Amino acid sequence: AQSVTQPDIHITVSEGASLELRCNYSYGATPYLFWYVQSPGQGLQLLLKYFSGDTLVQGIKGFEAEFKRSQSSFNLRKPSVHWSDAAEYFCAVLNNAGNMLTFGGGTRLMVKP
Amino acid sequence: EPEVTQTPSHQVTQMGQEVILRCVPISNHLYFYWYRQILGQKVEFLVSFYNNEISEKSEIFDDQFSVERPDGSNFTLKIRSTKLEDSAMYFCATQTGMNEKLFFGSGTQLSVL
Repeated sequence: AQSVTQPDIHITVSEGASLELRCNYSYGATPYLFWYVQSPGQGLQLLLKYFSGDTLVQGIKGFEAEFKRSQSSFNLRKPSVHWSDAAEYFCAVLNNAGNMLTFGGGTRLMVKP
Repeated sequence: EPEVTQTPSHQVTQMGQEVILRCVPISNHLYFYWYRQILGQKVEFLVSFYNNEISEKSEIFDDQFSVERPDGSNFTLKIRSTKLEDSAMYFCATQTGMNEKLFFGSGTQLSVL
């Protein structure tokens, strides 16, 4: 069965600092991977996705993620964090049939001024 | 950007009562999903729906749950006899096709007393 692990439950960074959120997945085939962001009281917004091709994918709001098959990882990065980036971030993997996302437990990001 | 609309935003109900959560998909979307998020836990898949039938469901989606799209517009999730553990945020999500961008609604917060 597919699974996603986000090892960091909470992360606090200073505004302007770089950010890396970790995501590890377990999946038998080539995974389709996603990062979503959830602000308080809001739904889930897609930041970026990886299906195939270039292992470094660019997303919205200046985020990027790198797929590393050898490490079963899909870490999310941003070179300079803004206060508005404070939110909860979820990594997810899509099943073979393409009709079910499995989410990680989420990482709550706090940004210090 | 188009939006998935969910109503109500909050629903409080007594244990054992039936609730219906409503979702208005984006107009040309054909694939529909329900996910839920219990407070402090990960987002969990409930069910996927395409061509007027369930295409996938999780263990959570037992006989107490049902989905339908009765009038070709609203996509509903019914919980026949609510339990305390059904308290969660329920998210509807829709997409035009498989592997296309999944749009999430902002959720219905269900509280079962």
